[in-house]
This record gives sequence, structure tokens and C-alpha cells, in this order.
Amino acid sequence: LAKTTQPISMDSYEGQEVNITCSHNNIATNDYITWYQQFPSQGPRFIIQGYKTKVTNEVASLFIPADRKSSTLSLPRVSLSDTAVYYCPGGGNNRLAFGKGNQVVVIP
Amino acid sequence: KAGVTQTPRYLIKTRGQQVTLSCSPISGHRSVSWYQQTPGQGLQFLFEYFSETQRNKGNFPGRFSGRQFSNSRSEMNVSTLELGDSALYLCASTGGWGGTEAFFGQGTRLTVV
Repeated sequence: LAKTTQPISMDSYEGQEVNITCSHNNIATNDYITWYQQFPSQGPRFIIQGYKTKVTNEVASLFIPADRKSSTLSLPRVSLSDTAVYYCPGGGNNRLAFGKGNQVVVIP
Repeated sequence: KAGVTQTPRYLIKTRGQQVTLSCSPISGHRSVSWYQQTPGQGLQFLFEYFSETQRNKGNFPGRFSGRQFSNSRSEMNVSTLELGDSALYLCASTGGWGGTEAFFGQGTRLTVV
């Protein structure tokens, strides 16, 4: 399984926008890019998915450049409840490679 | 629609014992994957089953095994438990081969003493 690469941890203040970038160096043509959120002692949950350009839902926005070698998850105006680990597994067979994710800590 | 159910939620075992964990996927989902999560290690992929066949396997020793039944329920077994096997074990189901959204259960917290 080809793993994606993410930074490990980041802190942010409440109300700020948080951007997390993930590298997808081995993404295949047909693969979607999916992001998950995990709270302590719970399983990850799906938050957003995209193929190219920009996708937005009630939780986040996902930006994917034309070459699709990376993606950026944007969390607008974070609150304390957004403190979690965020994962960006690849698509296809790589959808199973979650890795260590990115710990986001929101500070009051 | 019921979510992914994992049983038991908590388990304490002694070194050398074996353990079996169960995962019931969302109705209609045929793919089940298993993960081990320990502090600082993220989600480490164990294996994936689809229609009773193991389709992918992670880099774990042979003490870790699994199977899937005709109703898509899956079990994983760990034999000769070691202290380092203490972890949260998560399973996820997806709607089909290559399905892009995985639905996770709450996990089984295994403690080996």
C-alpha cells in the first residue's frame, strides 16, 4: 500500500481557519481523495471526498490541484470540537493506508 | 441503517493467550478491513476481506489472522498474545470493491497483561 504523507501535529486558535495538506505522490488516475476525522477512542469518520478542483460541504472544503499530487483540507473557523486527528488515505488500493494522520489541537 | 458493530468493546487478556474479535459490517457491505491503532503509530492496516476472500494484507506477523463469513461478518484472531498487542482494533466496511468511503466501528480496546 502506498502511503500518503502528512505533517504530524498543528495547533490553532478557535475561530481560525485551519489548512492541512496531504501529499499523494502515488495517486492513480481513477482514485478519489478522501479525508477522515478521528476523535479519541472512536473510529475515524468520513468528512469529505473529491477528485479534482474544489469540493465543499457543511464541514470542510477540499482543494485538489490539477496534478492531484496533493490535497488541502480546509476547516473554516475551527472550534474546540474540531480537535481531532485528520487522515487522508489514498484512493483505490491505497484507500486502506491511513498512516499517522495529522493531529489538530484547537486552543481556546 | 445500523452502523459497523464491533464486539467486545473492551477485553483484557494475559500474555500467551489468544483472542478473537468480531466485526459486523453495515448491511449490504461486502468489504471489511481491520486496523491496529497504538499511541503514536496511527492506523496500521492489518488485512481486508471481500466476499470471504482476503484481498489485501498488511505487514503483521502470522499471529494475526482473520476471516470473513458468507454474511460479510468478519473476525480477527490474535494468537500467543504479547504485551505489544495492546491496542485499539478497528474495523471498517465499505460498500464494494474499491468503495471510496469507509465506515468504522467504535473499536475493541484490547489490553494484554
